[in-house]
Amino acid sequence: EAGVTQSPTHLIKTRGQQATLRCSPISGHTSVYWYQQALGLGLQFLLWYDEGEERNRGNFPPRFSGRQFPNYSSELNVNALELEDSALYLCASSSFLENEQYFGPGTRLTVT
Amino acid sequence: TQLLEQSPQFLSIQEGENLTVYCNSSSVFSSLQWYRQEPGEGPVLLVTVVTGGEVKKLKRLTFQFGDARKDSSLHITAAQPGDTGLYLCAGPSSGTYKYIFGTGTRLKVLA
Repeated sequence: EAGVTQSPTHLIKTRGQQATLRCSPISGHTSVYWYQQALGLGLQFLLWYDEGEERNRGNFPPRFSGRQFPNYSSELNVNALELEDSALYLCASSSFLENEQYFGPGTRLTVT
Repeated sequence: TQLLEQSPQFLSIQEGENLTVYCNSSSVFSSLQWYRQEPGEGPVLLVTVVTGGEVKKLKRLTFQFGDARKDSSLHITAAQPGDTGLYLCAGPSSGTYKYIFGTGTRLKVLA
């Protein structure tokens, strides 16, 4: 069974640009979660989507947004990039309200 | 806001030693998960504990959920270099549809 996949693996952008990150969940999972992990730090919850709806978001500004498609894949968009947005962005999937999450390998975003 | 505090924050030990990592909260969790993350990769789920007092074993790793479901521990017996990584506890925040990660314990096992 294929795990959670994320693309691209690495992304380099300049300050002020927009970044789009993609995630495909495990087959059968309807929930997708996004996390930000700055270098050497813990995971900060960004967004949770289920069945195409945003269920919850963490304490991040509105320039962090996303969506979930009918096939349950998801996209994270970060507008007006700032240097401090440089981090590993992790996507996880689960069945709805199941507590166990399965993570992808992440997208390393570097903002210069 | 529910928080999960882990201790110690950093741990460097020799191969063959035993260690325990703690995950504490002032709030009750319906379940807790433990993950291990290696540098540049996503966390990998190790175990879920659900019942207060529950003990689960995964080879040399022993996980325990506190009786009151406010804390958990991870004990590693005879640590090996392959155990090196960031250990994270996590759990669902009651009533908020948020999933909370602990502060993490970074373990390094020296050969």
